[in-house]
Amino acid sequence: EVQLVESGGGLVQPGGSLRLSCAASGFIFSSYWMSWARQAPGRGLEWVATISQDGSAKMYVDAVKGRFAISRDNAENSVYLQMSSLRAEDTAVYYCSAYCHSRSTFWGQGTLVTVSS
Amino acid sequence: DVVVTQSPLSLPVTLGQPASISCRSSQSPVHSDGNTYLNWFQQRPGQSPRRLIYKVSNRDSGVPDRFSGSGSGTDFTLKISRVEAEDVGVYYCMQGSHWPWTFGQGTKVEIK
Repeated sequence: EVQLVESGGGLVQPGGSLRLSCAASGFIFSSYWMSWARQAPGRGLEWVATISQDGSAKMYVDAVKGRFAISRDNAENSVYLQMSSLRAEDTAVYYCSAYCHSRSTFWGQGTLVTVSS
Repeated sequence: DVVVTQSPLSLPVTLGQPASISCRSSQSPVHSDGNTYLNWFQQRPGQSPRRLIYKVSNRDSGVPDRFSGSGSGTDFTLKISRVEAEDVGVYYCMQGSHWPWTFGQGTKVEIK
């Protein structure tokens, strides 16, 4: 059974930092680009960052460039999102996704990040 | 960024009747590899997104055949041939050809 389990969400003050983790199982993790997407409360979906199979290529949406960093550990079947200089507008449910344009794609259940004083 | 625009944003439907959602991309969603990475997602209430259609018209594994995708250029359509109660939720069009990949605003499908 495929599983993507996110953790690390919570309440953080503006300007603070948080590290999200996503543990994967049930598929060949090292063969997938891994991505993070987010959904602000009552809003639509937004891709945040993506990382290649070996970690050599990383891409970010402009809104988080320079503040967020995506990484992965293929030995641990995990992907991470280090978030710093957090703002109120970063408040959202963050989803981990093993996204592939032409193969099966998998999503986690999401973890809520709330940025508020 | 590529802007993806959906219509309508709200779609009340009668059980057993067809439904159609339109999607327009501000740029052609043709990737440099020649593929058109135009996808459709379903998000049921309280659930994570689930992809239904990839590359315009290909159904993902386990997706009922009442869902179909079509289109070309910058105009695409998701059709549900006969709406069932389990189809209630928000549907998103998404282009995956140009980073950042972008979603449409979403279309809320509800039962009349």
